[in-house]
Amino acid sequence: DAKTTQPNSMESNEEEPVHLPCNHSTISGTDYIHWYRQLPSQGPEYVIHGLTSNVNNRMASLAIAEDRKSSTLILHRATLRDAAVYYCILNTGTASKLTFGTGTRLQVTL
Amino acid sequence: GAGVSQSPSNKVTEKGKDVELRCDPISGHTALYWYRQSLGQGLEFLIYFQGNSAPDKSGLPSDRFSAERTGGSVSTLTIQRTQQEDSAVYLCASSLGTGELFFGEGSRLTVL
Repeated sequence: DAKTTQPNSMESNEEEPVHLPCNHSTISGTDYIHWYRQLPSQGPEYVIHGLTSNVNNRMASLAIAEDRKSSTLILHRATLRDAAVYYCILNTGTASKLTFGTGTRLQVTL
Repeated sequence: GAGVSQSPSNKVTEKGKDVELRCDPISGHTALYWYRQSLGQGLEFLIYFQGNSAPDKSGLPSDRFSAERTGGSVSTLTIQRTQQEDSAVYLCASSLGTGELFFGEGSRLTVL
């Protein structure tokens, strides 16, 4: 499985934008970039995914570098409820096992 | 149901006993996954079922672990002769096959 690298932790103030980086220099042409997050004491939940173009949904935006070797999850206005561990994962786009790394623990403060 | 359902939500057992954990996926989802998460750690892949294909068992840590999926729906993860290191939250997820996984709340296993 292609590997992703994320910072262990990040901090943000409430109502400020947050940019969560992910490096995936060994990404293949068929790998989609997925983001999940895990709130305390809950199972992970899907956030967003993309292949080449930037993507937006109600939760977040995903900015993908032109060479696809890195991507950034953007939370436009962080809230206390966004405090979670965020996982960046590569997937071929068909049902197959997703390998979760250690993710980035996001702390949001007032 | 509306989401992935797992039972029991909590299980305390004695070392050496067998346990069964159940997962009821979202109706119509062809793919089903089991992961486990030890305290403060990331998710560890265990096993993956896709339709009628042979399951990917590459993540099962030992032969004490097994899983089956009957009728392409409900799945049971069985741990035989439990050890203290098996204590973790066991998470089940299902998918339509598009790559987006829907997780249950997990089953917390404590082995005394």
